[in-house]
Amino acid sequence: AQSVAQPEDQVNVAEGNPLTVKCTYSVSGNPYLFWYVQYPNRGLQFLLKYITGDNLVKGSYGFEAEFNKSQTSFHLKKPSALVSDSALYFCAVSGNRDDKIIFGKGTRLHILP
Amino acid sequence: NAGVTQTPKFRVLKTGQSMTLLCAQDMNHEYMYWYRQDPGMGLRLIHYSVGEGTTAKGEVPDGYNVSRLKKQNFLLGLESAAPSQTSVYFCATSTETGSLDEQYFGPGTRLTVT
Repeated sequence: AQSVAQPEDQVNVAEGNPLTVKCTYSVSGNPYLFWYVQYPNRGLQFLLKYITGDNLVKGSYGFEAEFNKSQTSFHLKKPSALVSDSALYFCAVSGNRDDKIIFGKGTRLHILP
Repeated sequence: NAGVTQTPKFRVLKTGQSMTLLCAQDMNHEYMYWYRQDPGMGLRLIHYSVGEGTTAKGEVPDGYNVSRLKKQNFLLGLESAAPSQTSVYFCATSTETGSLDEQYFGPGTRLTVT
């Protein structure tokens, strides 16, 4: 069975500092990995995905994520945080086309001015 | 293009009442999903559809029914609402590649059952 874990409920980062939001996964076969962001009272918005290829994936709003097969991780990163990055972030994984996507429980990111 | 829309945005029900949530999309996507979001639980899949006329159970289907009579619409029904169904409900769509592709989410419906 596939699963995804976001070990931190909340991450606090000072504006201008680099940020990392952690995600680990378990899936049989090749993983398809996603990051989504949710702003207050809104639906989730897609940020980036890893299907195959380069381990460093670049996405929207200056975010990137690094796929690490040996550590089964897909951490979300940004070199310089903005206050407007404050939101709820979800990692998700699927194993193949007809598998259901499994979402993590979310990590709340607070960027402190 | 409106993308993914959900009707209604808010609803309060009494225990035992029924209601239907409507999800509509104008992106011609094959796959549609219904999720519920509860604090500390992330998103949990209720039901999904891989195309017009098809439906399948997700992780938490009990107490809900769905129908996909038209490609662009996916309905979620609660026949007899319970307080445990108080939640925020999101509809999402994706292309014919299903779970290999990103999902597009509606704005959500906040449901309270008293």
